[in-house]
Amino acid sequence: AQRVTQPEKLLSVFKGAPVELKCNYSYSGSPELFWYVQYSRQRLQLLLRHISRESIKGFTADLNKGETSFHLKKPFAQEEDSAMYYCALSPANTGNQFYFGTGTSLTVIP
Amino acid sequence: DTGVSQDPRHKITKRGQNVTFRCDPISEHNRLYWYRQTLGQGPEFLTYFQNEAQLEKSRLLSDRFSAERPKGSFSTLEIQRTEQGDSAMYLCASSFDSNGYTFGSGTRLTVV
Repeated sequence: AQRVTQPEKLLSVFKGAPVELKCNYSYSGSPELFWYVQYSRQRLQLLLRHISRESIKGFTADLNKGETSFHLKKPFAQEEDSAMYYCALSPANTGNQFYFGTGTSLTVIP
Repeated sequence: DTGVSQDPRHKITKRGQNVTFRCDPISEHNRLYWYRQTLGQGPEFLTYFQNEAQLEKSRLLSDRFSAERPKGSFSTLEIQRTEQGDSAMYLCASSFDSNGYTFGSGTRLTVV
């Protein structure tokens, strides 16, 4: 069965410091991995997906199949990055439903 | 707002009552999904439709829950004989095949 683990419920960093939000997954096949973000009083929205290999708002994430991880990183945190971040997995050859982790609440301290 | 709309935003109901939520997806989206999110957890998949066909249901979806998408456009999620454990945020999402996956703002259900 698929499972997504985000070990940190809360993470605080100072503005300008690097930030890394951890995500580990278990799945027997080849999943697609995503990061979703929810800013205060806004709906859940896609931040990035591993297939795109892109950087959004300065964030990047690399899929490490050996370690089954998909950590989200940003070299210099900004106050506007404060939000709830969810790692999500979509199994291959399915209807594209997501399996989410429990989320990490990031606070960037000015 | 041309995104995914959910109605109502909040619902308070007494235990044992039935409730129904509505989701209006983005108009050109053929897939529609329902999720449930409880406090401190990520969203959990409940069910999804491709057009009007309900193609998958999670084991979380007990027989008190039923979802429909009769014309392949809007969808309703009904919970019969609500229990306190049903209190959660119910999220709807839509996509065109696997593209443009968009979430609604959710319906917060409180069972008292």
